Amino acid sequence: DIQMTQSPSSLSASVGDRVTITCRASQGIRNDLGWYQQKPGKAPKRLIYAASSLQSGVPSRFSGSESGTEFTLTISSLQPEDFATYYCLQHNSDLYTFGQGTKLEIK
Amino acid sequence: EVQLVESGGGLVKPGGSLRLSCAASGFTFSTYSLHWVRQAPGKGLEWVSSISSSSAYIYYADSVKGRFSISRDNAKNSLYLQMNSLRAGDTAVYYCASLLPYDYWGQGTLVTVSS
Repeated sequence: DIQMTQSPSSLSASVGDRVTITCRASQGIRNDLGWYQQKPGKAPKRLIYAASSLQSGVPSRFSGSESGTEFTLTISSLQPEDFATYYCLQHNSDLYTFGQGTKLEIK
Repeated sequence: EVQLVESGGGLVKPGGSLRLSCAASGFTFSTYSLHWVRQAPGKGLEWVSSISSSSAYIYYADSVKGRFSISRDNAKNSLYLQMNSLRAGDTAVYYCASLLPYDYWGQGTLVTVSS
């Protein structure tokens, strides 16, 4: 099974900060990865698909990139509504795998 | 408007069974693979199972394999998850979702396994 190692598990930041969250796959997954945002009590919402493509309607301050088996979600300038938990999801294998999540908190 | 509405959650004793349903509307249900994803209280997301559009391909996470069974009825636009031999560790909110290519999720249904 493919393991996704996400870091950090939590992050404190301020409005306007640039933040980066990383997922590392245990083997090659091409660009079969999405990034999701989840707010308390709500279903997850996809922000990025195919590692670096912005989901329609998602602000351009969100971006994704990949380098080999390492995938990065970047928020260029944090807004108050961005404080949430973020997950990566690989769908390269038949058995999908989420990263452990990153809780983004207000400093 | 796309809607996925889960039902069937509740309190069940360890070793018991439960069947979750997910009613879909607003998109071409029979075209897409569908998934169950769960989230234990205060924990992260866990992919549970998937079923292809024609039910030809079915996959399970190791944690539920042999105990859970996914199925769908394209005529009724419905997805199901039969959960047997339930354990305390299965306590979670269960979401049905279409993950690819579109991102559709239900609101979730809570399953609590406790004596």
